[in-house]
Amino acid sequence: DTGVSQDPRHKITKRGQNVTFRCDPISEHNRLYWYRQTLGQGPEFLTYFQNEAQLEKSRLLSDRFSAERPKGSFSTLEIQRTEQGDSAMYLCASSLNNSPLHFGNGTRLTVT
Amino acid sequence: DQQVKQNSPSLSVQEGRISILNCDYTNSMFDYFLWYKKYPAEGPTFLISISSIKDKNEDGRFTVFLNKSAKHLSLHIVPSQPGDSAVYFCAAISTGSNYKLTFGKGTLLTVNP
Repeated sequence: DTGVSQDPRHKITKRGQNVTFRCDPISEHNRLYWYRQTLGQGPEFLTYFQNEAQLEKSRLLSDRFSAERPKGSFSTLEIQRTEQGDSAMYLCASSLNNSPLHFGNGTRLTVT
Repeated sequence: DQQVKQNSPSLSVQEGRISILNCDYTNSMFDYFLWYKKYPAEGPTFLISISSIKDKNEDGRFTVFLNKSAKHLSLHIVPSQPGDSAVYFCAAISTGSNYKLTFGKGTLLTVNP
């Protein structure tokens, strides 16, 4: 069990640029989640995959956000035309069915 | 609309004493509850959970109590150790909801030597 891996750990970008984050879940885990955490808040749900199917998206996930999980393995989260309000920690988590979620260490995004 | 509330942003206790972290929820559909611990620059780590059919679950120094009628749960850590210093998040699930966690804002626990 090598844990959930996220890349990059930090990303600084200028407003209007596109960014993409990657998440490698624990290998046997079929479920993958993306969460966003801002300062002083708990993680907030963004989206959920069961294998390669994206089964739920939060209304927090605007049209500028897209997530994929090709072949049910790693996942990417892309933010287009970034805004300062997108600055946050983006957390990926995985689980095997209904077991508790295992979180990665997150990608901290700063939009200047 | 905060469905999971942790009203104490911080808590400070002495090493060896009991730490009690509290959590309230408003959504009656929640039927499974978890506590996560988070150190700086790391992701949350699962600590302990409880199903709504139980009122207590214990794992070593950690015990979670659930009062369904009051929509309240608490995490007890005894004895507290300096390594327990971290942010503790309460989270809740409605098990028909893709196991989607709803988190509170967290409580920063500081255990003083």
